Amino acid sequence: QVQLQESGPGLVKPSETLSLTCTVSGGSVGSGSYYWSWIRQSPGKGLEWIGFINYSGKTKNNSSFKSRVTISVDMSKNQVSLKMSSVTAADTAMYYCARDRGWLSSNDAFNLWGQGTMVTVS
Amino acid sequence: DIQMTQTPSTLSASVGDRVTITCRSSQSISGWLAWYQQKPGKAPKLLIYKTSSLESGVPSRFSGRGFGTEFALTISSLQPDDFATFYCQQYDTYPLTFGGGTKVEIK
Repeated sequence: QVQLQESGPGLVKPSETLSLTCTVSGGSVGSGSYYWSWIRQSPGKGLEWIGFINYSGKTKNNSSFKSRVTISVDMSKNQVSLKMSSVTAADTAMYYCARDRGWLSSNDAFNLWGQGTMVTVS
Repeated sequence: DIQMTQTPSTLSASVGDRVTITCRSSQSISGWLAWYQQKPGKAPKLLIYKTSSLESGVPSRFSGRGFGTEFALTISSLQPDDFATFYCQQYDTYPLTFGGGTKVEIK
């Protein structure tokens, strides 16, 4: 079955760029009609959707992140990546990648999640 | 952005109790609502999608209902494995947004 595994530095300095990778195993990131999202969770702001990249390469980000976020896919490595620039302490959170059910022409509910990776900005 | 408001924020209940959690959206979301269960140290798990559709493998004691801006998740008979935090999420409009969560505790 398909599994997601997030990875990346656990500690990032303020003003630097956070870079995370979600490795997809048991399936191809390019198959199906899926939307691949990044979602974060912090005690202060709860669950917060960051953005997605879909099966056709379309991306959309939460406007609250302004232009700080870039989500991309590397088909050769079967990975989805997140880059968030100019981080501050407010970006300290558990970061999850998640895949939707793939039944809609737009984002469906998320039925597949990675275990998450904790990022501290300090 | 669509605001999702869950009540209560904490709920104390006993095994066997019938439990209902409510979720209100700040505008109509056409039924595009999901419910998730999260246990400490784990990722959220999808329980219900499209307001009332049960995700594969989820016990039938979980059910969802709602319309317009008012939604609810009911656990018909609370089991020991159900003590967790539950979140609603709308996927009608971007940005996708989540409720603040309801923690179900043992009474």
